[in-house]
Amino acid sequence: QSALTQPASVSGSPGQSIAISCTGTSSDVGSYNLVSWYQQHPGKAPKLIIYEVARRPSGVSNRFSGSKSGNTASLTISGLQAEDEADYYCCSFAGSNAWVFGGGTKLTVL
Amino acid sequence: QVQVVESGGGVVQPGGSLRLSCVASGFTFSRNVMHWVRQAPGKGLEWVAFIHPDGTIKTYADSVKGRLTSSRDNSKNTLYLQMDSLRAEDTAVYYCAKDLSTTYSFDYWGQGTLVTVSP
Repeated sequence: QSALTQPASVSGSPGQSIAISCTGTSSDVGSYNLVSWYQQHPGKAPKLIIYEVARRPSGVSNRFSGSKSGNTASLTISGLQAEDEADYYCCSFAGSNAWVFGGGTKLTVL
Repeated sequence: QVQVVESGGGVVQPGGSLRLSCVASGFTFSRNVMHWVRQAPGKGLEWVAFIHPDGTIKTYADSVKGRLTSSRDNSKNTLYLQMDSLRAEDTAVYYCAKDLSTTYSFDYWGQGTLVTVSP
């Protein structure tokens, strides 16, 4: 159960688009279309923003989108806004009723 | 509205025990998979445990296997995490999270409860 690999930090200016990668293995990300993404503001609980690779829960902005290729999933945030500044975590089902998270990426809006 | 509220955190000595509770409301608890997820201070999220709606199937992260035990009482809409043989590295905020059924993701989280393992 090794953690998925995410960049420690990314940054962008308001209005720009950024992408956060999430690299796993053929046992987790590569085997299942069951990658989810979470946004966490300081001192708050995580919030689900993407599930099943690319689906958005009701109420989540369409500025958030997800994709996957092979063992790597990606979260793209378009039209960056100041409120998007937060930590982002990917998570994948890893089989046998086990899950694995990424190490997290700190997004800074310049 | 859906809510999950954790309680039971506190300071415990290494080797000690603690039991966390998570009370759910606003959804049919007995039909939902539930999870425990933790976050050490300043660190990332770590999945800890899964429990089937009827409580018969449970799985754990390797880091807690044999020491932490999840259970549920569907008559009380309550999820539990029994924590034994605690270590310093178990210090974290523990969240309970509802599974967004059949999607293998976590759609509702509590505010978390802090467990500190220290002499």
